[in-house]
Amino acid sequence: GENVEQHPSTLSVQEGDSAVIKCTYSDSASNYFPWYKQELGKRPQLIIDIRSNVGEKKDQRIAVTLNKTAKHFSLHITETQPEDSAVYFCAATGGKLTFGQGTILTVHP
Amino acid sequence: DAGITQSPRHKVTETGTPVTLRCHQTENHRYMYWYRQDPGHGLRLIHYSYGVKDTDKGEVSDGYSVSRSKTEDFLLTLESATSSQTSVYFCAISEWDRGNGYTFGSGTRLTVV
Repeated sequence: GENVEQHPSTLSVQEGDSAVIKCTYSDSASNYFPWYKQELGKRPQLIIDIRSNVGEKKDQRIAVTLNKTAKHFSLHITETQPEDSAVYFCAATGGKLTFGQGTILTVHP
Repeated sequence: DAGITQSPRHKVTETGTPVTLRCHQTENHRYMYWYRQDPGHGLRLIHYSYGVKDTDKGEVSDGYSVSRSKTEDFLLTLESATSSQTSVYFCAISEWDRGNGYTFGSGTRLTVV
């Protein structure tokens, strides 16, 4: 089955800096790669996703890049704000989602 | 809210007792999933359902069973709870089984003492 590795496990940045979270996956058949944000005590919520026929996708301050050859994808957050502080999960699938271990992002004012 | 509710939201139970968690949806989605969330492990799939009475195992199914007798309800049962099953349990629903369109419930925090 699919295996997803996510790094780093924790990330601390100053407000206004950029943050990058990286994931690798094992199953070359995976074709859908979503990113979820989970605030403390809340449910995971989709923030951006990308399909395997696209190399990059951007939505305001967040972007995701995908390298199918290397089987890795990344989340980029620019101009970080304190409200970006949360746990971020990557996932990969050709069917049922397999999640990475999560990254705790802390943005210091 | 999101058309998916989990009950109870919190539960404390003793080792060896049976526990049932409920996931209820009003979206009429075909696919339903149970995940558990533990620090350092992300979300791991326990069981899933692709229709009434159609279920299958995920990666961490040992010690858990599920049932789906109606489209709207997906039950997760711990037959004899153990401390290793202390976790936060999330239900998710999806109209398709292509990974997209997942909506998560609010979660159930289960503590086994």
